[in-house]
Amino acid sequence: EVQLVESGGGLVQPGRSLRLSCAASGFTFDDYAMHWVRQAPGKGLEWVSGISWNSGSIGYADSVKGRFTISRDNAKNSLYLQMNSLRAEDTALYYCAKFSAAAGGGYFDYWGQGTLVTVSS
Amino acid sequence: AIRMTQSPSSFSASTGDRVTITCRASQGISSYLAWYQQKPGKAPKLLIYAASTLQSGVPSRFSGSGSGTDFTLTISCLQSEDFATYYCQQYYSYPPWTFGQGTKVEIK
Repeated sequence: EVQLVESGGGLVQPGRSLRLSCAASGFTFDDYAMHWVRQAPGKGLEWVSGISWNSGSIGYADSVKGRFTISRDNAKNSLYLQMNSLRAEDTALYYCAKFSAAAGGGYFDYWGQGTLVTVSS
Repeated sequence: AIRMTQSPSSFSASTGDRVTITCRASQGISSYLAWYQQKPGKAPKLLIYAASTLQSGVPSRFSGSGSGTDFTLTISCLQSEDFATYYCQQYYSYPPWTFGQGTKVEIK
C-alpha cells in the first residue's frame, strides 16, 4: 500500500524558514518523480514544485521560485521542501504527491494527508 | 501557463441524479487531463486520467470524456459518498501543472 506522510508544518513568522518532509513507503521510491501541491484554506489546488527520480529535473511555480527548494533522498525514501522567506500567502496545506508518468506528461496518483503551514506574525 | 476553468463552481443534486461537470482549457491539451475527487478534510483522490481512463478501484458510475479544450466528468447515478469537490488538471504543458478551481457537489 502506497503511503505518503508529510511532516514539518507549523506556525512561522513572515520572512522565516521551514522545512517540510515526506516519508514514502509501499512503492519503489527512486522509480518515481515526486511533487508538492498546496491548498490555501478554503481554496483550490496549486502545484508548487516537482523533482525527477534522480533529482536531474526540477521545477517550481513562479510564486515560489527563488524561495523554495525541493530535494529528495532516495536512500531514505524521503522528499523535502525547504521554504525560505515565507509570506502570508504561502499559508496552506502542503501535500506530497507521487507522480505517475504517462503519455503527454503525468498526473498525481497518490497523495499524502498534508502538513499545514501557517505564516503569520 | 494553461488556464483550466470548471463550471459550475458548485451545485446541489440528489442521490440518484446524473451529474456533469465541465472543464475547459485555455488552449488545446489533447487528452492530457486528469480528474480528482476531494472530500472535506481529506487528500485529493485520482479518479480519471487521459481524459477518460478510470483509475483502478474507481466505481464505473464515474466517466470522463473530451479532448482538445473541452472535457466533462459525469457521475451516472450520484451516491451519498460522491458529495465532494472535483478538480480537473492538465498535463499537456508543464511546468506548471495546473488545476481547475474546483466544483463542489452538494446535497439538495
